Parts: sequence; C-alpha cells; structure tokens
Amino acid sequence: GENVEQHPSTLSVQEGDSAVIKCTYSDSASNYFPWYKQELGKRPQLIIDIRSNVGEKKDQRIAVTLNKTAKHFSLHITETQPEDSAVYFCAASPYSSASKIIFGSGTRLSIRP
Amino acid sequence: DTAVSQTPKYLVTQMGNDKSIKCEQNLGHDTMYWYKQDSKKFLKIMFSYNNKELIINETVPNRFSPKSPDKAHLNLHINSLELGDSAVYFCASSQVGGMNTEAFFGQGTRLTVV
Repeated sequence: GENVEQHPSTLSVQEGDSAVIKCTYSDSASNYFPWYKQELGKRPQLIIDIRSNVGEKKDQRIAVTLNKTAKHFSLHITETQPEDSAVYFCAASPYSSASKIIFGSGTRLSIRP
Repeated sequence: DTAVSQTPKYLVTQMGNDKSIKCEQNLGHDTMYWYKQDSKKFLKIMFSYNNKELIINETVPNRFSPKSPDKAHLNLHINSLELGDSAVYFCASSQVGGMNTEAFFGQGTRLTVV
C-alpha cells in the first residue's frame, strides 16, 4: 500500500522568510496530492492540491511542486506570516473507484516574529 | 451549513465501556472515512466507506466497528475501550468517482479513556 514520508517534523522560520516541506510517496498509482493545514485544536483543511499531470501549481504565497519520476512533492510558502503557524500535512491518493487518502506524519511550522 | 459534522466533540469515559461517535455529511459525497489522530498529531486512516460499503479496514482492532446506514452517515462504535484508544477521531468525506477530490473533515471528537 501507499506510504507517505514527510520532512521535517518541525520547522521554525523568521517571519517574511520562506518555508519548504518535502514529501515522498511509494505507490506509483497515486495521482492526487493534497496539502492540509491544521491549526491548533481545529480540523485539517485543504490549502492546495496537485494532480499527477501537473508539475507545479501556485496560489498566492503557496506553491506545490511534483516530481513523478522521483515520487516526491513539496510545499513552498513564501513571505511567511504569523498566521501560517500550524501543522501541515501532505497526502497521496491513488486513482481508484474507492479511494483512500494517506497522510504524511505532519510538519509543525512556527513563524518567529 | 456544516459540511461534515460529528458528535460528540468531547467524550470522556472509563476503560471497558462501549461508546459511539456519529458522523454526517451533507455534501453528497460517495466516500467517507474515519481517521485517528494521536498525541503526536499523526493522521492514520482507519476505515473508508464508498456508497455504504466498507472498502478499507486498516488493521484496526475489531473492537472498532463502523456502520454506514446510508452514504451520508458513517458512525463509529468502539467496544471495551482501552487507554490507548485516547485520541482525536476525525470523520471525513470526499467524492471519488473517477477523480479524487478534496476531503472535508469534521471538527473531530476528542476521546479520553480514563
């Protein structure tokens, strides 16, 4: 089955700097890669996703890249702000008629003022 | 309107008891999930249902029994609760049907077994 590894587990960056979180997946059948943000005490919420037919996607300060050959994908946050502090999860999901979404272990991002 | 709602939000109970968590989604999705989030924040899939049918059971003890009376509901019953069952349980739903899409999560149920 699918296995998703995520690094680093914790990340602290100065406000205004960039943050990068990296993930690898094992199942070549995976074709959908969402990223979720979970603020303290709240539910995970989708912030951006990418499909296997796309190499990069950007939404304002957030961008994701996907390398299918190497089976890894990354989240880039530029110009970080205090409200970016949260736990971020990458995930991978294989194409099938009934899916499962497998999450990485999470990265706790802290933005230093 | 709440998209995915689960009740209760908090559940404190003694070891050995049986408890249930209810989940409902009004998004018309065909797939629902239960995830367990432990103290280290790891989100681990437990079950996946598609159109009321169990698709995935990820080596969860058989003390955990999901039930889906219809595709909008997925309840989780836990028998003989153990200390190690303490965690936050999230219900989620998504529309699969040929193209995977965003999973929407409920607000979570914090289960504490004492």
